[in-house]
Amino acid sequence: GQQVMQIPQYQHVQEGEDFTTYCNSSTTLSNIQWYKQRPGGHPVFLIQLVKSGEVKKQKRLTFQFGEAKKNSSLHITATQTTDVGTYFCAGPAEGAQKLVFGQGTRLTINP
Amino acid sequence: NAGVTQTPKFRVLKTGQSMTLLCAQDMNHEYMYWYRQDPGMGLRLIHYSVGEGTTAKGEVPDGYNVSRLKKQNFLLGLESAAPSQTSVYFCASRLAGGAYEQYFGPGTRLTVT
Repeated sequence: GQQVMQIPQYQHVQEGEDFTTYCNSSTTLSNIQWYKQRPGGHPVFLIQLVKSGEVKKQKRLTFQFGEAKKNSSLHITATQTTDVGTYFCAGPAEGAQKLVFGQGTRLTINP
Repeated sequence: NAGVTQTPKFRVLKTGQSMTLLCAQDMNHEYMYWYRQDPGMGLRLIHYSVGEGTTAKGEVPDGYNVSRLKKQNFLLGLESAAPSQTSVYFCASRLAGGAYEQYFGPGTRLTVT
């Protein structure tokens, strides 16, 4: 079945350093979604990318969708303690009725 | 608007006991989902529903049953709990059609001893 892989699984940075997580799908995706889960919390939708090569920014967060629509990345510039959490990518499956989530990248930050 | 709510927040069961987790949403969403989250495993889909009266299996359905008798509610049942079902359970919902984001509930932490 469809698989979505994320790397790295864990990342620890100093506050102010940049952070990137990568997402790769076994199949071409019509779109990709990113979610953030704070420690002890629930996943919260961040953004959706639809077009090949699309780049979207949310303040210090930059999201990219690959040209072949099989990979994506999330880059955070100058991390802050509020960025702590696990970041998940997810791609549609079964005619877009459901999502397949990557394993997530857990970001911890040393203040 | 409460969004997606889950009951209970915490539960401890003994092996072999049964229980039902309740998910409710007030956003008139057609699609609803049950996930389990284990360390390092991400979110795995248990069952989902695309409308009242319909359910479908997800990635890890064994040991669970679901029902969607009302559009706003999605129930997850464990008939005979096993320690392997110790996990955090999240419910989510979204609009039908297209590529809409999922809204998650706060989760239920279940421990089976």
